[in-house]
Amino acid sequence: QKEVEQNSGPLSVPEGAIASLNCTYSDRGSQSFFWYRQYSGKSPELIMFIYSNGDKEDGRFTAQLNKASQYVSLLIRDSQPSDSATYLCAGRTGANNLFFGTGTRLTVIP
Amino acid sequence: DGGITQSPKYLFRKEGQNVTLSCEQNLNHDAMYWYRQDPGQGLRLIYYSQIVNDFQKGDIAEGYSVSREKKESFPLTVTSAQKNPTAFYLCASSGLAGFNTGELFFGEGSRLTVL
Repeated sequence: QKEVEQNSGPLSVPEGAIASLNCTYSDRGSQSFFWYRQYSGKSPELIMFIYSNGDKEDGRFTAQLNKASQYVSLLIRDSQPSDSATYLCAGRTGANNLFFGTGTRLTVIP
Repeated sequence: DGGITQSPKYLFRKEGQNVTLSCEQNLNHDAMYWYRQDPGQGLRLIYYSQIVNDFQKGDIAEGYSVSREKKESFPLTVTSAQKNPTAFYLCASSGLAGFNTGELFFGEGSRLTVL
């Protein structure tokens, strides 16, 4: 069973703070991981993907992958109210399908 | 503009009726997908197709059917056999680059409510 677990939150952070979103996965065969942002009532959009151990940075976003611990995280620096959304973690194991977590709802308080 | 178009955006159905959700893409993507999203849950894969005239069941295919007669189109039929069809349905596509990055491009979604 391929599973991706996320802390469901909700998570609230003040504007300007760092938001930390976490995800664990059960299938050691999972090769790559993705973070999607979904605003309420809207469709998901890709923020970042990562497939190598370590950190990957893109602007205010940093994805972290630790394959030994089967752990993926997303850090959002200088959080803005526009970052308020549900963040979905997804994993892929070589097939053309993604397995999604339940999502973490983030609220950035002005 | 290139993208994925889903219709209708909102749909109401009486129990026992079949309904078909439309999904059209002009991104020239080979692969297309249907996901279902329930409140507080992630996306669950219903069906996917990697090439015209071929499709595969996902994790929750029971009560659903699809066709892929054209590259651009991947309609989903929610049949009366689906016991709990009220949900938000998302269609997505990916191209060759998407296979490597995993990027799925999503439509705006169709919200189905069974009365």
